[in-house]
Amino acid sequence: DGGITQSPKYLFRKEGQNVTLSCEQNLNHDAMYWYRQDPGQGLRLIYYSQIVNDFQKGDIAEGYSVSREKKESFPLTVTSAQKNPTAFYLCASSLFAGAGANVLTFGAGSRLTVL
Amino acid sequence: AQKITQTQPGMFVQEKEAVTLDCTYDTSDQSYGLFWYKQPSSGEMIFLIYQGSYDEQNATEGRYSLNFQKARKSANLVISASQLGDSAMYFCAMRGQGAQKLVFGQGTRLTINP
Repeated sequence: DGGITQSPKYLFRKEGQNVTLSCEQNLNHDAMYWYRQDPGQGLRLIYYSQIVNDFQKGDIAEGYSVSREKKESFPLTVTSAQKNPTAFYLCASSLFAGAGANVLTFGAGSRLTVL
Repeated sequence: AQKITQTQPGMFVQEKEAVTLDCTYDTSDQSYGLFWYKQPSSGEMIFLIYQGSYDEQNATEGRYSLNFQKARKSANLVISASQLGDSAMYFCAMRGQGAQKLVFGQGTRLTINP
């Protein structure tokens, strides 16, 4: 079955450490996205990528980095510069980037806790 | 810029009753899309329904329908004959004209009581 796989599901990090969250999709979608969700809040966009080797900052990109070397993969690195990284991270993809009924398909999420 | 407002932090409904989840939006775009997603306790976001700003008919998908009132900038989700499995967070979202991203509201936690 096609879908999005995020790993790990749970991750604990010490302050000052970088961590990388994995996101892999087998839907043959062009566009991929990373969102952050904090308790009681909606989703906020961190980064998105429309095609391989290209990505753009979202609303809260500071302290994060991404790469898009393969169509299927869009890993997110949470760096030590991110002041409050404890959150739930959701990866998504869509068939193409753009407007209209372009539905985002989401992964199951990764919960990061900073100790 | 787009903004989504969901004014109901939580709702409690008896099983088999219909429920309406409120969503208002703000945009200056003429063309835009409105989405509803369900997030169960497992965390995954599940797409429910889509409404385009130029669609004349309200969107329906099974037990879900979207009450789209363009002049009021309202896009309420209606769930008919609620089930225990409908208990979850529900998010309204929109994409503006030419925009790449979805903008989400803060969500409504729906609890269905037996």
